[in-house]
Amino acid sequence: GAVVSQHPSRVICKSGTSVKIECRSLDFQATTMFWYRQFPKQSLMLMATSNEGSKATYEQGVEKDKFLINHASLTLSTLTVTSAHPEDSSFYICSAETKLDTQYFGPGTRLTVL
Amino acid sequence: GESVGLHLPTLSVQEGDNSIINCAYSNSASDYFIWYKQESGKGPQFIIDIRSNMDKRQGQRVTVLLNKTVKHLSLQIAATQPGDSAVYFCADNDAGGTSYGKLTFGQGTILTVHP
Repeated sequence: GAVVSQHPSRVICKSGTSVKIECRSLDFQATTMFWYRQFPKQSLMLMATSNEGSKATYEQGVEKDKFLINHASLTLSTLTVTSAHPEDSSFYICSAETKLDTQYFGPGTRLTVL
Repeated sequence: GESVGLHLPTLSVQEGDNSIINCAYSNSASDYFIWYKQESGKGPQFIIDIRSNMDKRQGQRVTVLLNKTVKHLSLQIAATQPGDSAVYFCADNDAGGTSYGKLTFGQGTILTVHP
């Protein structure tokens, strides 16, 4: 149980385009999902908290207009990187929180912006 | 501010040995701690968790110890196997029982198991 999926697993896009990443909890409902960013050989950095049916809460320094988050259902949250630039290239990971407060992570999405 | 950190960035062990990975945290209000394993190119995988009302919890080949007095957390892996090679992160969640719980991750420890 507690499986979280992400799609796509890898995406390459041109600078200036937008990319949408999906995060799904497959066997449980998650009121809260989280989006992280991870650079090579570094720890995970929380970007935002996604709450079903309400606006996401962004961490300090994360542009909400650039990283659009939608949590339309209890099993799906999406992160859209708008007008992507090479500096947005990173490993994006989502997690979904169970009722016991444990976060289970997706496999991650490798974004490369050319 | 709140932070979770690790004493050792790398750890190399021989197959079959026991491994101990350490973590220090600074927020005395933290009441929930989690260990994750992350293999290259993959998302973190839940290993074991512990709440602040406990000082020890055991899983399959893994044991987490919590010392609230010195704000220290450790992960013990028994009979370490090559498949255990990965980066291990500790994280704390000071949700205090609410459903909103941000995780703060430590820097990670690279565990390398030599056959």
